[in-house]
Amino acid sequence: DSGVTQTPKHLITATGQRVTLRCSPRSGDLSVYWYQQSLDQGLQFLIQYYNGEERAKGNILERFSAQQFPDLHSELNLSSLELGDSALYFCASSVELSRTDTQYFGPGTRLTVL
Amino acid sequence: AQKITQTQPGMFVQEKEAVTLDCTYDTSDPSYGLFWYKQPSSGEMIFLIYQGSYDQQNATEGRYSLNFQKARKSANLVISASQLGDSAMYFCAMRVRGGSEKLVFGKGTKLTVNP
Repeated sequence: DSGVTQTPKHLITATGQRVTLRCSPRSGDLSVYWYQQSLDQGLQFLIQYYNGEERAKGNILERFSAQQFPDLHSELNLSSLELGDSALYFCASSVELSRTDTQYFGPGTRLTVL
Repeated sequence: AQKITQTQPGMFVQEKEAVTLDCTYDTSDPSYGLFWYKQPSSGEMIFLIYQGSYDQQNATEGRYSLNFQKARKSANLVISASQLGDSAMYFCAMRVRGGSEKLVFGKGTKLTVNP
């Protein structure tokens, strides 16, 4: 158990819908990262938040947005869903300024868009 | 731009044998970190081992060791005394310090341990 929690574990929805994925980082970790894992694209970085502020952005679609709240949990919002958004979405967290800055991953949310 | 290459889509090993999973990386930054993660069929990503670009010694964590050859830009994972539970996907990843905080992943290697 990495200490990172994600809910829900599975999500099945229809095209055009909007969903929210939730992540709680490990205790003490200020950074939260979101990644998408799909068969064709592999593991891709989406976005990072550090202590409530956006820190870095990757291949995140405009239909997707995220935020980190004062209690450090984070939410990833996916809207106008398309079939191609079906993927495993991971949240990871890390301690800034540690020697390794290892990112510890949550169990993931498997999103299926029908 | 940073890139990770894992050239072995699949590997097979006999139980109790050692196996090496290959990883090469490309970056022009002098300061970086290399990571290996394990993804079992259940889907979670499990951190295994870390190697910093300035670390003088190869990293080891239990049965996992990292064969770091900086001049060749390779960071191969060695698993000793393979166990059936080692069957999984293994991903090599890189993080460049001072740049974007993201991890860049390779495509992974599927390891199968045979009894």
